[in-house]
Amino acid sequence: GENVEQHPSTLSVQEGDSAVIKCTYSDSASNYFPWYKQELGKGPQLIIDIRSNVGEKKDQRIAVTLNKTAKHFSLHITETQPEDSAVYFCAAITGGGADGLTFGKGTHLIIQP
Amino acid sequence: DTAVSQTPKYLVTQMGNDKSIKCEQNLGHDTMYWYKQDSKKFLKIMFSYNNKELIINETVPNRFSPKSPDKAHLNLHINSLELGDSAVYFCASSQVPERNTGELFFGEGSRLTVL
Repeated sequence: GENVEQHPSTLSVQEGDSAVIKCTYSDSASNYFPWYKQELGKGPQLIIDIRSNVGEKKDQRIAVTLNKTAKHFSLHITETQPEDSAVYFCAAITGGGADGLTFGKGTHLIIQP
Repeated sequence: DTAVSQTPKYLVTQMGNDKSIKCEQNLGHDTMYWYKQDSKKFLKIMFSYNNKELIINETVPNRFSPKSPDKAHLNLHINSLELGDSAVYFCASSQVPERNTGELFFGEGSRLTVL
């Protein structure tokens, strides 16, 4: 099955700086890579996703890049704000396969004022 | 007008008891899921149902039994609770089966504490 590694487990950045979270996956057949944000006491919420036929996708201050050859993908948050503080999860799935989404272990992003 | 709602939000019980968590979605989705999040925040799928039919059943003790009376509801019943069952359980739904890369909509979680 798929295995997703996520780093770092905790990331502390100054407000206004950029944050980068990295993930690697093991199954070369995986073709969909979403990122979820989980705020304290809430369920995860999709913030951005990318499919394997695209190398980069951007939505305002967040962007995701995908390197299929190296089997890694990254989340970039620019101009970080206090409300960006949360746990972020990357995930991967092999579309059409029998298994569900495989999540990384999460990154606790802390925005320092 | 909550999209995915689950009850109860908190559940504290003794080892050996049986408990249930209920989930309802009003999004009109065909697929519903149960995820378990442990104390280290690790999210792992337990079950997936599409239109009341079981699709995914990960390696979960058979003390856990999901029940889907209709496609808007997926309940989780747990027998003979053990200390290791303490976790936050998330219900989720999606418009298409997850394996076809549909966005997941999560409930707010049910924190189960087994004493």
